[in-house]
Amino acid sequence: TQLLEQSPQFLSIQEGENLTVYCNSSSVFSSLQWYRQEPGEGPVLLVTVVTGGEVKKLKRLTFQFGDARKDSSLHITAAQPGDTGLYLCATVPFNKFYFGSGTKLNVKP
Amino acid sequence: DAGITQSPRHKVTETGTPVTLRCHQTENHRYMYWYRQDPGHGLRLIHYSYGVKDTDKGEVSDGYSVSRSKTEDFLLTLESATSSQTSVYFCAISETGGSYEQYFGPGTRLTVT
Repeated sequence: TQLLEQSPQFLSIQEGENLTVYCNSSSVFSSLQWYRQEPGEGPVLLVTVVTGGEVKKLKRLTFQFGDARKDSSLHITAAQPGDTGLYLCATVPFNKFYFGSGTKLNVKP
Repeated sequence: DAGITQSPRHKVTETGTPVTLRCHQTENHRYMYWYRQDPGHGLRLIHYSYGVKDTDKGEVSDGYSVSRSKTEDFLLTLESATSSQTSVYFCAISETGGSYEQYFGPGTRLTVT
């Protein structure tokens, strides 16, 4: 059983569409991170959310931390082929990082 | 880009042989991590280090050992490689523990035949 469950596992959409991916758990977290990983490379941190209900925006990406700090979502507006990649959420209880299994996004031109 | 290198980048080895992977950083960060990435499992922490000669186990530490004799180097050793250890291995560094940013290396693809 994974600490963080991500959905959907795979998503294939056309350029210009909007999408939302989710990261859920039954545990409460002090913070949650989102990473993007491109093929053949290591993950790169996009954002860290720390407050329940917090919303952070990074250009066309909107991240939200649930009020109860058990879940988070990533919304992409007007997806572009450059958004293609594996999106991972992660949390850090007791200095040990735990990652979800990821959502693999493919944006077709 | 953070200065993290991993060597080798690709390795094929036989079951039962020892294998050592190296992670080298030029950032003088205190924390270093080893992960493995497999389809359907995301990244799973193997071991991490919070200083020279200070290490702790992660989620999937069985069959792996680590050593850190210098700030810049973190070694991952498979004493006797098994086919279940075929994976992509990533090293990461962070300035402090907790929720601070990790910087990842380019990965090592290991195949155990």
